[in-house]
This record gives sequence, C-alpha cells and structure tokens, in this order.
Amino acid sequence: DIQMTQSPSSLSASVGDRVTITCRASQGISNYLAWYQQKPGKVPKLLIYAASTLQSGVPSRFSGSGSGTDFTLTISSLQPEDVATYYCQKYNSAPFTFGGGTKVEIK
Amino acid sequence: EVQLVESGGGLVQPGGSLRLSCAASGFTFSSYAMSWVRQAPGKGLEWVSAISGSGGSTYYADSVKGRFTISRDNSKNTLYLQMNSLRAEDTAVYYCAKDPLALRGREIVVGYFDYWGQGTLVTVSS
Repeated sequence: DIQMTQSPSSLSASVGDRVTITCRASQGISNYLAWYQQKPGKVPKLLIYAASTLQSGVPSRFSGSGSGTDFTLTISSLQPEDVATYYCQKYNSAPFTFGGGTKVEIK
Repeated sequence: EVQLVESGGGLVQPGGSLRLSCAASGFTFSSYAMSWVRQAPGKGLEWVSAISGSGGSTYYADSVKGRFTISRDNSKNTLYLQMNSLRAEDTAVYYCAKDPLALRGREIVVGYFDYWGQGTLVTVSS
C-alpha cells in the first residue's frame, strides 16, 4: 500500500508568515490528493482536492500544488484562525490513506 | 443542508461487537459513496472503510479487514459499520464521511470527503 508522509509534524510561525507543509507519497498518485484542516475539538474540513483545487468557501490564502509523489500546502499569510492540524490524503485508489498530520501553531 | 449524525458508540469489552449508524439527510443518499474514518485519542485520521452508492462495492483498511463490515440502507438513508472482534486499538472517534461526487448507478468511490459527521466514540476496554 502507498504510504503518505507529512513534514514537518509540527511548526510554529508568526501571524502573516508564509507557511508550507509537505506531503510525500511512497508511489505516484497523479493529482489524487486532498488536504484537510482540523481545528482543536472540531471535525475535519476539506480545504483542497485534486492537489490544487480550492474547496468552495475556503480562503484564498490556502493553496496546494504538486503531482506524482510530492505535494505542498501553502498558507500565504498565516492567521490566528489557522491554528489547526492539517492532513493530506490520497484517493487514487483504496486504501484512502491519510498523512500523519502537521500541527500549526502561532509563535 | 447536508447532515450526518453518527450513533451507536460506547464502551465494549475486547472481543465484543458494536454496530455504528450514520443517519444522512440533505442530499440524495443513494447517489453518493460513503466512508468511515476514525481518530484514536490524540492521534491522526485513519480511513477505515468505504461503500459505493448502491452498496455493491466495499473497501476496507487492512487493520479492520475481516472484522468490520460496512453496509447501507438507502431506503432509510443510513450507513452502518458492524464491528466485531474489537480490540483496544480500535478505540477512537468514528466519523462517517460523504464522497463529493454523485455517481448514481456507478460502483465508484471517489475517496475524499466534503462532509463529515460529528463522530461517535468507541472505547474498547475491560
């Protein structure tokens, strides 16, 4: 099965900083990659699908890129409400594996 | 408005069984594949199982294969997860989650999720 590895596992950044999270697949998955945000005590929320397509209603400071095995989630200007854990997920075929998560905090 | 409401969680002894339900509303349930995703306390997300809109295709994570069974009743707009031979490592919040695309009549699971329920906690302990 394809493994999904996220890095870093956690990060601390200042408000307004550009934040980048990386997700790597152990085999190529084309662009079948989604990103989710899970705020503390809340349900996961879909941010991006097809590696770079923003889900409706998601702020434009979020963006995704990549194809094949290497993917990136970028927050262009970190806001206090972005404190959360972010997960990538592959969906080219079952099993629909999630990455281990990246916890984003404000410095 | 899409709503997914899970129920059936609780405390069960190792080796026991439990059946989770997810009542869906606000969309044409039979047109969408559905999944179960779990999250152990303080841990990350783990996809558990998926089922196509008609129920004809099912998929499982290796960690639950042979012990869990996913099913659906489209006449009741309800998704189920029958969990047998439960282990301590099955302790988690179980979420039901909806596929994003209506694929009526096609046995396809897209595999990412645009709506999630609030979850139901399953605790496996003696």
